[in-house]
This record gives sequence, structure tokens and C-alpha cells, in this order.
Amino acid sequence: GQNIDQPTEMTATEGAIVQINCTYQTSGFNGLFWYQQHAGEAPTFLSYNVLDGLEEKGRFSSFLSRSKGYSYLLLKELQMKDSASYLCAVMDSNYQLIWGAGTKLIIKP
Amino acid sequence: GAVVSQHPSRVICKSGTSVKIECRSLDFQATTMFWYRQFPKQSLMLMATSNEGSKATYEQGVEKDKFLINHASLTLSTLTVTSAHPEDSSFYICSAKAGTGTDTEAFFGQGTRLTVV
Repeated sequence: GQNIDQPTEMTATEGAIVQINCTYQTSGFNGLFWYQQHAGEAPTFLSYNVLDGLEEKGRFSSFLSRSKGYSYLLLKELQMKDSASYLCAVMDSNYQLIWGAGTKLIIKP
Repeated sequence: GAVVSQHPSRVICKSGTSVKIECRSLDFQATTMFWYRQFPKQSLMLMATSNEGSKATYEQGVEKDKFLINHASLTLSTLTVTSAHPEDSSFYICSAKAGTGTDTEAFFGQGTRLTVV
């Protein structure tokens, strides 16, 4: 079967760095997405990786290793507003999105 | 988490025809559903928000007469792309949430890849 695994919840301190991991097993691969979702709001796109390596966008970076079926989202200089759920999703060979359950990130002062 | 089923997952249609995409919440009642489109390597773009029993609220720049949204029941919303053209080819995703509170999660469907030829 297809599945996406990511931690249910993580806690970090304001100003620190946190890494949210995502492992996947899917039938084919056409890219991996990370989304941020604040409670009660629509999700917002953070990143898309289709090739191995690190993609950096400001305070957020996303890494992909296709051979390991692994990705991580790295958040630097954490701010209180970064408290949200972070969703990992993989597009399989049929161009369907397989969603992880999301990681709830709690930022403490 | 709750399950949102989107159908079809892939569709190819001829230019000028209409295509209907369904979004169903399988194990909860969705008071609000969101429709998005996403171009390759670009961000998810919210097209419209629909609340059960009322007209959808469209985002600026989205043609309501071209992208017809119907949310007639608490478990089903449909997006109809009317008179589709090749530029409408995209990945369409729905999400649904059960309540109206700020702490209510939204769950995503699998997405529909539309190709207009």
C-alpha cells in the first residue's frame, strides 16, 4: 500500500531550528510537496521537490532523497507564527496526491 | 484523519467541452469546502470557498461562470469547468472541513489532473 509517515506533533522554542521528517512509500513518484496549515485556515504551499537535494526559500528549506523515500522540512529562526500543522504530500505515478496526516508544530517562547 | 474522496483522479477532455469534478467527505459532514488549482511547481491557488446550501465565494480573478461550484449537500461539492480550453489544464484539489470554528481542520482530496486537448 501507499503511505506517508510524519510525526504527529513537535515542540520547539522561538528562535530555534526544527526539522520535520517525512518518509513515504508510494507507487511511483512525481514530486513531494510541503504545506503549512494554520488551524481553521486553508493550507498554503511551502515547497515542491522532485529532484534529490536541498531547496532553500528564506527561513524554510526542504530536502529530498528519492532513493531513501525521505524528505524533511527545515524551519530556521522560528517565530510564534510558525505554530501550525505541516503537511507532507507525494504525487504518485497516477498523479494522485497521497497525504501525510500532518505534523502539529508548537512553538514556545 | 477524516477522508475526502475526489473523482476522477485524471481526466482528458476536448476543448470546448465541460468537465465535472466531485469532492466527497466520506466520514464527516463538510460544512465548508475549498477548491484549489495548482500549476506545476507553483503554489496551491485557492479558487473558491463554498458553504453548504449557499453560493460559493470566488477569489479575485476566478471566473464564476467558467468554474461552477455546487455544494448541495454536506458530503458533496462539485466543480464544473465549463467550455474547457487548454489553458485550463491543471491539477485541481478540493479540501473539506467539518465545522466553522478556527480550530477545525481541513482535509484534502487526492486531486484531479485535468488535461484539455
